[in-house]
Amino acid sequence: NFMLTQPHSVSDSPGKTVTISCTATSGSIVSHFIQWYQHRPGGTPIIVIFEDTKRASGVPDRFSASIDGSSNSAFLTISGLKTEDEADYYCQSYDRDSWVFGGGTKLTVL
Amino acid sequence: EVQLVESGGTLVQPGGSLSLSCAASGFNFDDYSMHWVRQVPGKGLEWVSGVSWNSATVAYAESVRGRFTISRNNGGNFLYLQMTSLRVEDTAFYFCAKDVGHLRFPDHWGQGTLVTVSP
Repeated sequence: NFMLTQPHSVSDSPGKTVTISCTATSGSIVSHFIQWYQHRPGGTPIIVIFEDTKRASGVPDRFSASIDGSSNSAFLTISGLKTEDEADYYCQSYDRDSWVFGGGTKLTVL
Repeated sequence: EVQLVESGGTLVQPGGSLSLSCAASGFNFDDYSMHWVRQVPGKGLEWVSGVSWNSATVAYAESVRGRFTISRNNGGNFLYLQMTSLRVEDTAFYFCAKDVGHLRFPDHWGQGTLVTVSP
């Protein structure tokens, strides 16, 4: 089954740039559209990136994403970190009528 | 404005049954696939089940297949999840989510309803 794996946590200081990876197994990352969601405690997930690299409406351009076929991974990059970016981030895709989520990465802005 | 409001979560004993509902408004409900996603407190998101706009396609995570049934009422704008043979590990917040189209990805989520399975 197609699966997505993320690092458990990442952290950095305000103003810095952080990148979260999402690695696919049992399938090719380039054959599956990847979405990214921000989930703050107590809130609902908010879509940040859809179809690999497209920013959702209202998402600042500090958020960007990319796909790397050679590492079979997708990446979410957040530049100019702000304390409000602190949240859990999930990559997501769909495979054979099913949704697949990565395990989530906790971003801490120190 | 898209609104998804879940209800039905409660405490239930292992082996019991429970039905969740999701009331949808603010969009043409019968144009979109709908899904249930759950989150064990402190853990990640887990897709549970999805249903196409016309109920022709339904899909389940392996962890719930054979125990949970998803359905929808397009006339009343409701999504349902019938859960049977509940296990302690089914304890989670259950979110209703709207798909952007046909079994693709979520663009709106409800606030969730808590299901607790405990003796």
